[in-house]
Amino acid sequence: NAGVTQTPKFRVLKTGQSMTLLCAQDMNHEYMYWYRQDPGMGLRLIHYSVGEGTTAKGEVPDGYNVSRLKKQNFLLGLESAAPSQTSVYFCAATLGGNQPQHFGDGTRLSIL
Amino acid sequence: AQKITQTQPGMFVQEKEAVTLDCTYDTSDQSYGLFWYKQPSSGEMIFLIYQGSYDEQNATEGRYSLNFQKARKSANLVISASQLGDSAMYFCAMREYGGATNKLIFGTGTLLAVQP
Repeated sequence: NAGVTQTPKFRVLKTGQSMTLLCAQDMNHEYMYWYRQDPGMGLRLIHYSVGEGTTAKGEVPDGYNVSRLKKQNFLLGLESAAPSQTSVYFCAATLGGNQPQHFGDGTRLSIL
Repeated sequence: AQKITQTQPGMFVQEKEAVTLDCTYDTSDQSYGLFWYKQPSSGEMIFLIYQGSYDEQNATEGRYSLNFQKARKSANLVISASQLGDSAMYFCAMREYGGATNKLIFGTGTLLAVQP
């Protein structure tokens, strides 16, 4: 009963390095989201997707790119990591409507 | 613009007592939904309860209930008979249905500590 799986769970990067966070869901949900969580600021939407092959910007998209080539996967990329991107990243998926978003366990990312 | 406000950064409650966590929202849409999530210290986000803007009755799920006052734009979470395991961060979130994106807007959260 996997639901939403995020990979990796922890990562430390140096400023300027690039990396990709993977989100995989086995619920056949159309909608997927990437959030970042910082102390005192709740969850803020980075990018989202309303279906395979679509992506859109959220509240804080700068410095990130996403792709949704397959319905079950939503990738978040950092092209050139900056210390300001140190955060906990959550992926979520939903059927939509009155159904809740189901979250992965998060990825703790530190940029030195 | 839509906004969620949680004015209580932190709260204490005695075990077995009830506690209310406040949430107010701002939206111009008539059709929207309100969600509450729990985030324990282990970090995962756990869905607790949902209230639709057209639901006439307050939502309930076990020990959780939602005190929905539409005119006041508030959707407070009530936890009855608090348990030590209820100690966590609690987030209120809103979804507007007009844009068909199913995005959630989150509040900044309330940290609840249940004391024995």
